[in-house]
Amino acid sequence: GAGVSQSPSNKVTEKGKDVELRCDPISGHTALYWYRQSLGQGLEFLIYFQGNSAPDKSGLPSDRFSAERTGGSVSTLTIQRTQQEDSAVYLCASSLTTGNQPQHFGDGTRLSIL
Amino acid sequence: SQQGEEDPQALSIQEGENATMNCSYKTSINNLQWYRQNSGRGLVHLILIRSNEREKHSGRLRVTLDTSKKSSSLLITASRAADTASYFCATDILTGGGNKLTFGTGTQLKVEL
Repeated sequence: GAGVSQSPSNKVTEKGKDVELRCDPISGHTALYWYRQSLGQGLEFLIYFQGNSAPDKSGLPSDRFSAERTGGSVSTLTIQRTQQEDSAVYLCASSLTTGNQPQHFGDGTRLSIL
Repeated sequence: SQQGEEDPQALSIQEGENATMNCSYKTSINNLQWYRQNSGRGLVHLILIRSNEREKHSGRLRVTLDTSKKSSSLLITASRAADTASYFCATDILTGGGNKLTFGTGTQLKVEL
């Protein structure tokens, strides 16, 4: 079946604008994760959804960042009043459940803030 | 500081040679995973090794885990040009819930013909 799908693949916007990034996980995967990857760096955890439980938002860098997951499937990561330091690749992953499961990643959204 | 730190940061070898990458971490883990990332793409899962396992194989890949030293290694045997990529270790730490992963900064492997 299809893998994790992210859109848009690239987004260029002006500082101060809001952006929405979309993630469509693998069908049947109950866990969904957002990560941020800055140039040449490893991945930084942002937020995690598991089924109907309250999301783990411990990695969100500021209150300008928020995410939701509707119907236990598609997720949207929203960044309000973007800053230049928000420029990065935003990666989404999903897994069947939690605990000893590999994560399946999308190709990411490359966000550039001018 | 990083939970997982890879060593070396960059590695260049000839096709056919073996490549070894190391990962060290700080806190107790549930499992450790290795991922590969080609330029401009997402991460691809390679191997997951649980905390009670010491070695795991998958094709040309061999992963070891030493929980007493809090370290892991990834060995790629008989490397190919197509193995050129960045390799990341990621730890699933014992937080009491979920398996959010903590990634290292990666090893950039270049396999030359």
